[in-house]
Amino acid sequence: EDQVTQSPEALRLQEGESSSLNCSYTVSGLRGLFWYRQDPGKGPEFLFTLYSAGEEKEKERLKATLTKKESFLHITAPKPEDSATYLCAVQAGETSGSRLTFGEGTQLTVNP
Amino acid sequence: NAGVTQTPKFRVLKTGQSMTLLCAQDMNHEYMYWYRQDPGMGLRLIHYSVGEGTTAKGEVPDGYNVSRLKKQNFLLGLESAAPSQTSVYFCASSYGPGQYYGYTFGSGTRLTVV
Repeated sequence: EDQVTQSPEALRLQEGESSSLNCSYTVSGLRGLFWYRQDPGKGPEFLFTLYSAGEEKEKERLKATLTKKESFLHITAPKPEDSATYLCAVQAGETSGSRLTFGEGTQLTVNP
Repeated sequence: NAGVTQTPKFRVLKTGQSMTLLCAQDMNHEYMYWYRQDPGMGLRLIHYSVGEGTTAKGEVPDGYNVSRLKKQNFLLGLESAAPSQTSVYFCASSYGPGQYYGYTFGSGTRLTVV
């Protein structure tokens, strides 16, 4: 069974204080690892897809990295508008229909 | 550019009542999904479809039915609502497996069953 564990559950940062979110996964044949951002009362919004260990993707203050067992979402010099819940999801090679298995998310709060 | 539209946005049902949630996408996506999101449980897949006229069960299908009569629409039905089905329901769509842009999600339907 595919499993995705995110840590920490919640993270509170001061504006400009860089940090990382963790996503550990167990799947049979990783096809892709996805990061999403979810704002309160809205649906998740796609950020990145990573396909193989060693891959990195960047978007503004966010950088996602992937190893064989986990992914990190690095947030550099965050701003209050980065406050949101960040979700990690995996797509396994054995899974039909392009299904994603999601973690429970990390709720990030950035204080000004 | 509407993306994925879900209706209704909010609904309160009494136990035993039925309802249908509608999901419509205008991106010509082949794959569509219904997820529910509960505190401490994350997003869990209810049913999904890999094309018009096809449906398949996900992780938590009991108590729900779906239909995909048209490519752009994916309907989720609750035949006899139970308090355990109180949740936020999200519809999503994608081009297909392994594609670069992931899912596009709707804004959700908040359902309360009393």
